Amino acid sequence: KAGVTQTPRYLIKTRGQQVTLSCSPISGHRSVSWYQQTPGQGLQFLFEYFSETQRNKGNFPGRFSGRQFSNSRSEMNVSTLELGDSALYLCASSVDRVGLETQYFGPGTRLLVL
Amino acid sequence: TQLLEQSPQFLSIQEGENLTVYCNSSSVFSSLQWYRQEPGEGPVLLVTVVTGGEVKKLKRLTFQFGDARKDSSLHITAAQPGDTGLYLCAEGLTGGGNKLTFGTGTQLKVEL
Repeated sequence: KAGVTQTPRYLIKTRGQQVTLSCSPISGHRSVSWYQQTPGQGLQFLFEYFSETQRNKGNFPGRFSGRQFSNSRSEMNVSTLELGDSALYLCASSVDRVGLETQYFGPGTRLLVL
Repeated sequence: TQLLEQSPQFLSIQEGENLTVYCNSSSVFSSLQWYRQEPGEGPVLLVTVVTGGEVKKLKRLTFQFGDARKDSSLHITAAQPGDTGLYLCAEGLTGGGNKLTFGTGTQLKVEL
């Protein structure tokens, strides 16, 4: 089975721009979660999507949004980019059985905001 | 908000040495996972522990969950350069979806 794929792998934007990141989960996985990783704050949960609906949300401003498509692929969008949005954005997918899940992470998209 | 503190923050050791990494919480864990992240990759799950006092072994790695479920440790025996990476503990929801709260991380470097 192919793993979680994220595109693009690297991205450079300027302040004020917006960006869209894409995540393709493992085939058959219905839950997709997004995380932000920075040296200062570590790995932080952004949001989770299941069946095209946001099921859980972290403590990030409304500039961060996401969506999930019927094939479980997910996108996240960051509007009005700030320097502090420079980070590695990770996507994780899971099957979503009852009980504690194993989440499988993609390699991430590294975003640099200038 | 659950706070997960890991110690040490950085660890640089020689091949063959033993080491222990700690994860402590401000409140009781519902469940705990340990991940390893290598450069350029996402975290990979190593183990899940759910029961207080639980001990799990994965080759040279031994994971222990505290009796009170507020702390956990990861012990590596005879470390190898391939063990180099960022070790993260994380608490997960046990229902209502997938949301992980990660610890602050321990960056391990094992040198020849």
